[in-house]
Amino acid sequence: QSALTQPPSASGSPGQSVTISCTGTSSDVGGYNYVSWYQQHPGKAPKLMISEVSKRPSGVPDRFSGSKSGNTASLTVSGLQAEDEADYYCSSYAVSNNVVFGGGTKVTVL
Amino acid sequence: QVQLQQWGAGLLKPSETLSLTCAVYGGSFSGYYWSWIRQPPGKGLEWIGEINHSGSNNYNPSLKSRVTISVDTSKNQFSVKLSSVTAADTAVYYCARGEHSSGAYGMDVWGQGTTVTVSS
Repeated sequence: QSALTQPPSASGSPGQSVTISCTGTSSDVGGYNYVSWYQQHPGKAPKLMISEVSKRPSGVPDRFSGSKSGNTASLTVSGLQAEDEADYYCSSYAVSNNVVFGGGTKVTVL
Repeated sequence: QVQLQQWGAGLLKPSETLSLTCAVYGGSFSGYYWSWIRQPPGKGLEWIGEINHSGSNNYNPSLKSRVTISVDTSKNQFSVKLSSVTAADTAVYYCARGEHSSGAYGMDVWGQGTTVTVSS
């Protein structure tokens, strides 16, 4: 199963919005509403930010939102803050009970 | 509050077997799926596989021939073994909890990570 495709980097100034894409196939992203997004700061474990395409776990700011269209899912961070600077990974359920991750996107707050 | 504490050997020689264990503290063990994920230095995440409390497994097809994930419900622990390791298996290994199989609902609790280095 190939990894999902994410842009390597994205950036925005404080207060602005940044959107990260995650492209898969009909066997993963496009076939199921089971896309998750994780935030990872250097040296730390990933943190779940979005599940099932657009659901925010308790404690995750509403500045984080998710969506999906066809084979591409997206994570939008609105009102960028310094602490949002991190790596972001998408993942999806895939056929035959598999999990695939994206390659990761480094978000820089300018 | 659920916490995952993981441990295992950090330095292996090529052809040896990697063995890590993750203990679940402060929450229910049944009703969840327990995964292993790894991250090579400077690279992205890769799902290794999962198990539930009854011992039902799912594995990443690319690693399936070398991986075994087992569970010890009496200790609220689960473990991973990866055989015939090479330098390509050098990574930080994480354990994590999911509410549904194959991370469908996301993995919401993670261990602290264990660095495993394979070197002769």
